[in-house]
Amino acid sequence: AIQMTQSPSSLSASVGDRVTITCRASQGIRNDLAWYQQKPGKAPKLLIYAASSLQSGVPSRFSGSGSGTDFTLTISSLQPEDFATYYCLQDHNYSLSFGGGTKVEFK
Amino acid sequence: EVQLVESGGGLIQPGGSLRLSCAATGFTVSSNYMSWVRQAPGRGLEWVSGIYSGGITDYADSVEGRFTISRDNSKDTLYLQMDSLGAEDTAVYYCARADIVAGLPLVNWGQGTLVTVSS
Repeated sequence: AIQMTQSPSSLSASVGDRVTITCRASQGIRNDLAWYQQKPGKAPKLLIYAASSLQSGVPSRFSGSGSGTDFTLTISSLQPEDFATYYCLQDHNYSLSFGGGTKVEFK
Repeated sequence: EVQLVESGGGLIQPGGSLRLSCAATGFTVSSNYMSWVRQAPGRGLEWVSGIYSGGITDYADSVEGRFTISRDNSKDTLYLQMDSLGAEDTAVYYCARADIVAGLPLVNWGQGTLVTVSS
């Protein structure tokens, strides 16, 4: 099974900050990577797919990059509604796998 | 509008069995990749199982041999049969759909159903 290592596990930031979260795959997954946002008590929401494609309706301050084994989610200017937990997901093969998550908290 | 509604969760004793259901509207279950994802209290997301439109199924190592994913095409409903349950299976279980035609991974999610394994 492909292991996804996400870092950091948590971070503290302020409104307006630039935030970067990384995900590393245990083997190459081309660009078969997605990013999700989850708020407490809610289902995950798709933000980015195919490593860098923005899902419809998602603000442009969210962006994704990477290919192969190393991927990045960037929030260019953190907004109050962005405080949440973020997960990467690889869908390169039949067995999907998530990263461990990154909780973005108020500084 | 695409909607997924899970049901069947509850309190179950260790060693017991439970079947979760996920009723879909707005699309055809048999034409899509469907998946179950779970989240233990205070923990991250864990992919559990998936079923492709052609019927191929796959499972996480943690549930292989104990859980079975299936679907009823006539009811547009996805199921997860869970046997030999243990405390480690306590979690909110979500069903989710990937829109393969649009190239989107798990894009539609249900609200989740809580399974608690305890004596």
